[in-house]
Amino acid sequence: DSGVTQTPKHLITATGQRVTLRCSPRSGDLSVYWYQQSLDQGLQFLIHYYNGEERAKGNILERFSAQQFPDLHSELNLSSLELGDSALYFCASSARQSPANYGYTPDLYGYTFGSGTRLTVV
Amino acid sequence: AQSVTQLGSHVSVSEGALVLLRCNYSSSVPPYLFWYVQYPNQGLQLLLKYTTGATLVKGINGFEAEFKKSETSFHLTKPSAHMSDAAEYFCAVSEGRSSASKIIFGSGTRLSIRP
Repeated sequence: DSGVTQTPKHLITATGQRVTLRCSPRSGDLSVYWYQQSLDQGLQFLIHYYNGEERAKGNILERFSAQQFPDLHSELNLSSLELGDSALYFCASSARQSPANYGYTPDLYGYTFGSGTRLTVV
Repeated sequence: AQSVTQLGSHVSVSEGALVLLRCNYSSSVPPYLFWYVQYPNQGLQLLLKYTTGATLVKGINGFEAEFKKSETSFHLTKPSAHMSDAAEYFCAVSEGRSSASKIIFGSGTRLSIRP
């Protein structure tokens, strides 16, 4: 168990529908990253939240959105789903809060990944 | 912008043989480099990382990687392959050193182990 929890593990839905994927980061981690993994595109960065604020956007479609809540869990919302949205969606967390080091760089710790949500659009 | 190139989408070695997975990076700043492993139906797991200091980095499961600035490489090696090493391996580079930085992943190399 990595400490990063993603739910649900599997999701099957029809085209045009909307789904919400949930991620609970490892205890103490402030950053949440969302990635999409598909056979043809590889591992694509979608979006990064840090302590409730959006920090960076990658190849995220306008039909997709995300947020990070005060308790630091994050949700990725996918709407108007298309067949091509079928993929594994990973959440990762990093950036443990360190009172002694406000200048820490979260990259030092790498990321801790959840086990992913497999989305199948039919 | 930072980028990562993994040479060879599929590598096959015999059990007990040397494992060598190649990774070259592009970075305008001193990079932080990572190798991750993904077993079937699982998330990515950090194998090892290079930040600063010693250029030969040892990771879990007997893997190690060497940062070579002159070659912009961070190849992953293991002296003797085990069947349990069969997985997908991703090289990655940090896009920066701030709290807003994200990690850029290579396209992955699938490692197969022959009995």
